[in-house]
Amino acid sequence: NAGVTQTPKFQVLKTGQSMTLQCAQDMNHEYMSWYRQDPGMGLRLIHYSVGAGITDQGEVPNGYNVSRSTTEDFPLRLLSAAPSQTSVYFCASSPGTYLPLEQYFGPGTRLTVT
Amino acid sequence: ELKVEQNPLFLSMQEGKNYTIYCNYSTTSDRLYWYRQDPGKSLESLFVLLSNGAVKQEGRLMASLDTKARLSTLHITAAVHDLSATYFCAVDQSWPGGYQKVTFGIGTKLQVIP
Repeated sequence: NAGVTQTPKFQVLKTGQSMTLQCAQDMNHEYMSWYRQDPGMGLRLIHYSVGAGITDQGEVPNGYNVSRSTTEDFPLRLLSAAPSQTSVYFCASSPGTYLPLEQYFGPGTRLTVT
Repeated sequence: ELKVEQNPLFLSMQEGKNYTIYCNYSTTSDRLYWYRQDPGKSLESLFVLLSNGAVKQEGRLMASLDTKARLSTLHITAAVHDLSATYFCAVDQSWPGGYQKVTFGIGTKLQVIP
């Protein structure tokens, strides 16, 4: 199993550009989530999904969009990039709702917005 | 809103010494997680604590949970350099319909000095 994969590993965007961060898992996990990690702020939840077709907002959803059309994939879209979105983004998955949310994390995407 | 607080945020300790990291959270939850992150890497799960009084041990690390006090501890015994990393605690909340969110603490950066 590849586990949780994320692409790209690094990305530089100009202010106002849009892009999609890809996340995929091959463990048949129902629960998937996106976090951003900034120095001194830990991990903050952006959006999460409890299954295909079902998503919800986390702590910092503004400027980001998600959809979940399959169990395997959970892309994160930046609609119009801003310097405040410079961060490291982690995708994670967990077996399912109603179960303990021990999460498996992807390797991360380091995004810089200039 | 669930708040998760860790202390200390930075810890420099000598090899061979013992120390404890504390994690307090603000609302009722029976499920707490500890993760480790090496510099520039992703997060890996260390412990899942699912009930009051739960205790888990792996090598020189031992985690416990007191849900009445809303407190978890991560105890380090006879620290070695390989334990140098940032340690996060996380707590989850659930709602009807299967929705669950995980809130992370800011993290404790541990440096073990030879």
